[in-house]
Amino acid sequence: ETGVTQSPTHLIKTRGQQVTLRCSSQSGHNTVSWYQQALGQGPQFIFQYYREEENGRGNFPPRFSGLQFPNYSSELNVNALELDDSALYLCASSPGAREGYEQYFGPGTRLTVT
Amino acid sequence: GENVEQHPSTLSVQEGDSAVIKCTYSDSASNYFPWYKQELGKRPQLIIDIRSNVGEKKDQRIAVTLNKTAKHFSLHITETQPEDSAVYFCAASKQAGTALIFGKGTTLSVSS
Repeated sequence: ETGVTQSPTHLIKTRGQQVTLRCSSQSGHNTVSWYQQALGQGPQFIFQYYREEENGRGNFPPRFSGLQFPNYSSELNVNALELDDSALYLCASSPGAREGYEQYFGPGTRLTVT
Repeated sequence: GENVEQHPSTLSVQEGDSAVIKCTYSDSASNYFPWYKQELGKRPQLIIDIRSNVGEKKDQRIAVTLNKTAKHFSLHITETQPEDSAVYFCAASKQAGTALIFGKGTTLSVSS
């Protein structure tokens, strides 16, 4: 059984640019959640996808958008990057949003916006 | 919305001592409370969780207690070891698998 993977590991972008981060969920998991972790802080919920549909969203602006594919992998897109978007972006997968299962995190993508 | 407060922000103990980290939450509808351990540069790892239908859960040296009336829950680590040194996060959600609301973390340092 493979765990949650994310790509790329690190990324440097310029303010105003757009970025796409990718997440492959653990085998057998149909739910992916995305979190933003600023330095020295706890992860903050961005949104969740369950069987290709958005299943909840945190307090993030519309320039943060996502997608889930039929194989349950997921993308996080951020448009018009701002300096405050610099953070570790974590995805977490679980067997089912409505079945009550734990979330397992990927290693994260470190995004730096200059 | 839900708000989770975590204390202390840093905790230093001697090897073999016990460590306790406390969290409070605001939303009485929350009923799932996991704890994650995050080592430097690594992913958060689930170490233990508790659901609202139980008051205590134990797994070897780690235990979690929940007081739903007071809306607080705690992590207890006994016989601490240097490899327990990490940042610990508590979280709350209305159901396992849905949005987790995290505390700000506790940096635990265990010295030998």
